Amino acid sequence: SQQGEEDPQALSIQEGENATMNCSYKTSINNLQWYRQNSGRGLVHLILIRSNEREKHSGRLRVTLDTSKKSSSLLITASRAADTASYFCATARRTGANNLFFGTGTRLTVIP
Amino acid sequence: NAGVTQTPKFQVLKTGQSMTLQCAQDMNHNSMYWYRQDPGMGLRLIYYSASEGTTDKGEVPNGYNVSRLNKREFSLRLESAAPSQTSVYFCASSARTGTYEQYFGPGTRLTVT
Repeated sequence: SQQGEEDPQALSIQEGENATMNCSYKTSINNLQWYRQNSGRGLVHLILIRSNEREKHSGRLRVTLDTSKKSSSLLITASRAADTASYFCATARRTGANNLFFGTGTRLTVIP
Repeated sequence: NAGVTQTPKFQVLKTGQSMTLQCAQDMNHNSMYWYRQDPGMGLRLIYYSASEGTTDKGEVPNGYNVSRLNKREFSLRLESAAPSQTSVYFCASSARTGTYEQYFGPGTRLTVT
């Protein structure tokens, strides 16, 4: 079973708008990571946020982490058609298994 | 710098046939992983290798075997393919397990008829 669940499952916006995706998880984590997957391709790492961090920025990406609510959000500002992809959160647990657990993803479509 | 490479890109097997998916990385990473991706299921870990010479089961290991041939290469073998193994398979690598970002290959689309 997946550790994370993304919400919404699918999101469609106009170019230039902001896109927000959410991720909820179940157990204590060491860090949470966001990945992008273009259709028919492998996943690409976007950003990593540690459990002691609350917010992180990378270019047009802003990630927040609320460990008390076991949730994270990914904000893409001023979206472009090239941002069309699926976005996955992945969690690294604090104890136990030493691998990442991926959510089911949010499919983002940016309409030109 | 190729990153993570996988072969083949596509494969069609009949039920009961066997095959090996190959994966190689050129980033000098210690850890390597095999995932499968099914519609609506996200990525599920099949096996991983924390370091050369070690392998461990992931979430869905049944029906698969792996070999960490050396630091660069990690192969996945289906001994007797079943239709339930129709999926897209991804290999990934990372500097170490757990907290590090992973780098993914382009995937192998496998259909078992």
